[in-house]
Amino acid sequence: NAGVTQTPKFQVLKTGQSMTLQCAQDMNHEYMSWYRQDPGMGLRLIHYSVGAGITDQGEVPNGYNVSRSTTEDFPLRLLSAAPSQTSVYFCASRFQGSTDTQYFGPGTRLTVL
Amino acid sequence: SQQGEEDPQALSIQEGENATMNCSYKTSINNLQWYRQNSGRGLVHLILIRSNEREKHSGRLRVTLDTSKKSSSLLITASRAADTASYFCATVAQGGSEKLVFGKGTKLTVNP
Repeated sequence: NAGVTQTPKFQVLKTGQSMTLQCAQDMNHEYMSWYRQDPGMGLRLIHYSVGAGITDQGEVPNGYNVSRSTTEDFPLRLLSAAPSQTSVYFCASRFQGSTDTQYFGPGTRLTVL
Repeated sequence: SQQGEEDPQALSIQEGENATMNCSYKTSINNLQWYRQNSGRGLVHLILIRSNEREKHSGRLRVTLDTSKKSSSLLITASRAADTASYFCATVAQGGSEKLVFGKGTKLTVNP
């Protein structure tokens, strides 16, 4: 299994540009989520999904959209990038059930100029 | 807002010593988990403790949970240079949501 994969690894955007961060998992996990990590802030939950067709907001959803059309994929869209969205983004997945191990992708480092 | 708060923010020890990190949280939980993050990498799950458990072991790791004080501790015994990483606690609140909410982490440095 490849586990949780994320693309791209690095990205530089200009303010106002849009882009999609890709996340895929091959473990047939129902639950997927996106976090951002900023220095001194730990990880903050952006959006999550408990299954295909179902998404919900986390702590910091503004400026981001998600959709879940398949079990495997959970893309994160930045609608109009802002410098405040400069961060490292992590995707994670697990089976349904909060006691199951959550697996993280390697991260995408995004810089917005 | 973030649920967990780790203490200390940074810890530096010598190889062979024990490392203890603490986590405090605000609301009632279903379970509490500890993760490790090596520099520039994703997080790796270490251990999970349920709200009805008080202590759990996994290799050189020992986790305790005190729900009356809303706190947990992670002990790494006989530390190695390879244990150098950031350690995060994360909680799942009781009742309903399965969201995993992270603290800000403790940066551990183990000197050879």
